[in-house]
Amino acid sequence: AQTVTQSQPEMSVQEAETVTLSCTYDTSESDYYLFWYKQPPSRQMILVIRQEAYKQQNATENRFSVNFQKAAKSFSLKISDSQLGDAAMYFCAYKGGSQGNLIFGKGTKLSVKP
Amino acid sequence: DTAVSQTPKYLVTQMGNDKSIKCEQNLGHDTMYWYKQDSKKFLKIMFSYNNKELIINETVPNRFSPKSPDKAHLNLHINSLELGDSAVYFCASSQNRGVNYGYTFGSGTRLTVV
Repeated sequence: AQTVTQSQPEMSVQEAETVTLSCTYDTSESDYYLFWYKQPPSRQMILVIRQEAYKQQNATENRFSVNFQKAAKSFSLKISDSQLGDAAMYFCAYKGGSQGNLIFGKGTKLSVKP
Repeated sequence: DTAVSQTPKYLVTQMGNDKSIKCEQNLGHDTMYWYKQDSKKFLKIMFSYNNKELIINETVPNRFSPKSPDKAHLNLHINSLELGDSAVYFCASSQNRGVNYGYTFGSGTRLTVV
């Protein structure tokens, strides 16, 4: 069975600084996607970024980028120039072909200090 | 124009009652899901429907019964509510079951059983 592990329950970053959130996963599938979702206090789940397993190039969306290490099964999220609005729970998620549903990690709560 | 709408947003009810949560998506997606987010923020799949057909039914008490009258709607009915059912329930949809499609989430329903 596929699993997703986020080893940092909480992280803190100073405004305008850079922070990296860790995620590892376990799978025997070759075709899959990885996602990062953000959940602010409003409770809404917001897609931040996604990465296809077959692509070696790391995905980037404005201040958000990933470091995808397929062999190590690692998928970390880097947030540059952190803003107060980045404070939220961040969930790493896996989607493979065998089940077709998103499998989530336990989340990392990110605080941003002014 | 809300893409995935859930009603109600908040639900407070007594133990033993029966309640329903409704979900509708206007994205034309084929696949819909119910997830439960517990007090520790962990998100776990409960059910998935593809074109009105049940495809995922995780280990959930049979007091929980999903119903999909058409592919735009997926409702969740809960019988004989228990204290442990208190959680946030998220509905989500995706284009189809393909690995490359992430989810669009509803805003969640916070269920409190007293």
